[in-house]
Amino acid sequence: GAVVSQHPSWVICKSGTSVKIECRSLDFQATTMFWYRQFPKQSLMLMATSNEGSKATYEQGVEKDKFLINHASLTLSTLTVTSAHPEDSSFYICSARDNNRGTEAFFGQGTRLTVV
Amino acid sequence: QKEVEQNSGPLSVPEGAIASLNCTYSDRGSQSFFWYRQYSGKSPELIMFIYSNGDKEDGRFTAQLNKASQYVSLLIRDSQPSDSATYLCAVNIYGNKLVFGAGTILRVKS
Repeated sequence: GAVVSQHPSWVICKSGTSVKIECRSLDFQATTMFWYRQFPKQSLMLMATSNEGSKATYEQGVEKDKFLINHASLTLSTLTVTSAHPEDSSFYICSARDNNRGTEAFFGQGTRLTVV
Repeated sequence: QKEVEQNSGPLSVPEGAIASLNCTYSDRGSQSFFWYRQYSGKSPELIMFIYSNGDKEDGRFTAQLNKASQYVSLLIRDSQPSDSATYLCAVNIYGNKLVFGAGTILRVKS
């Protein structure tokens, strides 16, 4: 149990375009989802926390208009990187938690975004 | 002060030895603590979680929590080369945010 599927696993896009990353909980209800970004040899940096049906709470320094997060259902959250630039190239990872079952969070496989 | 702090390492131990990883956190109200393992280029996988003061054992892994001192540790007994990875400490901060430390690189030498 506790499987989180993230798609795509990698994507290359042109500068100025937008990219959508999906995160699905396959066998549990994700009442809370976290989105992280990880640069090479660095730790996971929390970008935002979203609860199903509510607006995401963004961390300081993360542009909410650039990183659009939608958590419209208990099994799906999406992160859209708008007007991507090379400095947005990173490893993006989602994590999901069922608050009714505990506080453990489970991770998707991650998406490696390269903006050229 | 960072919310979750770890020594970046690398921590090198011989095969069969005990590896000890430490983590401190800033939010005294934190209630949930997690250890994840991350291999290069992969996403983290949950190893253990602990909520109460004291020790929690699961196979070769033991998590230790001391809320008064605001630290949590992970012991890996009989370390194997396959345990070589980055170990991430994560804490539920301010009730809902799951925040990670920078991670400790562990190298187990055969």
